[in-house]
Amino acid sequence: KAGVTQTPRYLIKTRGQQVTLSCSPISGHRSVSWYQQTPGQGLQFLFEYFSETQRNKGNFPGRFSGRQFSNSRSEMNVSTLELGDSALYLCASSWGQGADSPLHFGNGTRLTVT
Amino acid sequence: QKEVEQDPGPLSVPEGAIVSLNCTYSNSAFQYFMWYRQYSRKGPELLMYTYSSGNKEDGRFTAQVDKSSKYISLFIRDSQPSDSATYLCAKDALEGGGADGLTFGKGTHLIIQP
Repeated sequence: KAGVTQTPRYLIKTRGQQVTLSCSPISGHRSVSWYQQTPGQGLQFLFEYFSETQRNKGNFPGRFSGRQFSNSRSEMNVSTLELGDSALYLCASSWGQGADSPLHFGNGTRLTVT
Repeated sequence: QKEVEQDPGPLSVPEGAIVSLNCTYSNSAFQYFMWYRQYSRKGPELLMYTYSSGNKEDGRFTAQVDKSSKYISLFIRDSQPSDSATYLCAKDALEGGGADGLTFGKGTHLIIQP
């Protein structure tokens, strides 16, 4: 079974631009979550989608948004990029929620903002 | 105080040693715990998850939860150089995941010396 696939693997953008990252979950998984990972803050929760609905949202500004499609694939968008947005963005999928539905992560998209 | 605390290391041990990795957490409302392993330039890989106190064993790995002291441990027996990675502990609410998704520690960097 294929794992979580994230594209692209690497991105370089300049301040003020916007970016869209893509995630394909494991087949059969309906929940997709996004996390930002930086050396200073570690892994921080961005948002979670289930059946095309945003179910939870972390403490990030409105410049960070996402969506989920009917095939469970998900995208996240960051507008008006800032230098501090440079990070590894990780997507994770699970079939549901709770103790018997742990998250499985992709290898991330490394975003560098210059 | 961050909700999940981990010593960042690095922790360096000789091959074959027993490794002990630890986390403490501050909010007793969370009851579901996970350990992830992350290699350089890869996403976190789920190692173990548990939602009860006591021990859970899987091959060379044992996860231990002590809810009375809010302490989570991961033991690795017969450590191998391939175990060299960053180990992340995480917790979640038992019901519904909560508004913050998973809460991660910042990770402990483990080095197994051949």
